[in-house]
Amino acid sequence: EPEVTQTPSHQVTQMGQEVILRCVPISNHLYFYWYRQILGQKVEFLVSFYNNEISEKSEIFDDQFSVERPDGSNFTLKIRSTKLEDSAMYFCASSGDIRQRMEGYTFGSGTRLTVV
Amino acid sequence: GEDVEQSLFLSVREGDSSVINCTYTDSSSTYLYWYKQEPGAGLQLLTYIFSNMDMKQDQRLTVLLNKKDKHLSLRIADTQTGDSAIYFCAVPNTGTASKLTFGTGTRLQVTL
Repeated sequence: EPEVTQTPSHQVTQMGQEVILRCVPISNHLYFYWYRQILGQKVEFLVSFYNNEISEKSEIFDDQFSVERPDGSNFTLKIRSTKLEDSAMYFCASSGDIRQRMEGYTFGSGTRLTVV
Repeated sequence: GEDVEQSLFLSVREGDSSVINCTYTDSSSTYLYWYKQEPGAGLQLLTYIFSNMDMKQDQRLTVLLNKKDKHLSLRIADTQTGDSAIYFCAVPNTGTASKLTFGTGTRLQVTL
């Protein structure tokens, strides 16, 4: 079964450092997403990406965040200058077109980011 | 924006049925989803229901949708210890690249 792959599974970084979280979405999917889940809290939407541009972003997705699809297969989330409150599990997801939505949105297993 | 609410915790005995409830605000969603999250793991799609259906059964899982009340429920029959997890309902917003809004999650604890 196709899956969304995220690397690394766990990253520890110092406050103020830049991090790049990587994702390989399902190959025939068109829409890509990043979500985050702070420990013990709900899953929050960060950004959606379609046709090589951001479709929608949340209030959380400020100027410190950026996304890129550099080579047609990878989808990355960059946090420029990490803060302690960026510590969370970050999930990448992808979905097909509207006719495929019954398949749901496929999530990766997440990257746990710890900012110290 | 979309608001999705769930109760936080449910405890059931092994073999009993579990019912997890969810309410939402945006009635234009086409599909509504239930995801399962085991400790330290990612989000696994459990099942979905199309918005023109009232009920969907999938083995031990039954999804009920009341569009008038904007209420979604997930019933797990013969609940097993392996069902212990957090269950999220998730509702897409309108639009082509529709993001998912997740409920607060219900932690299901199955006791012997």
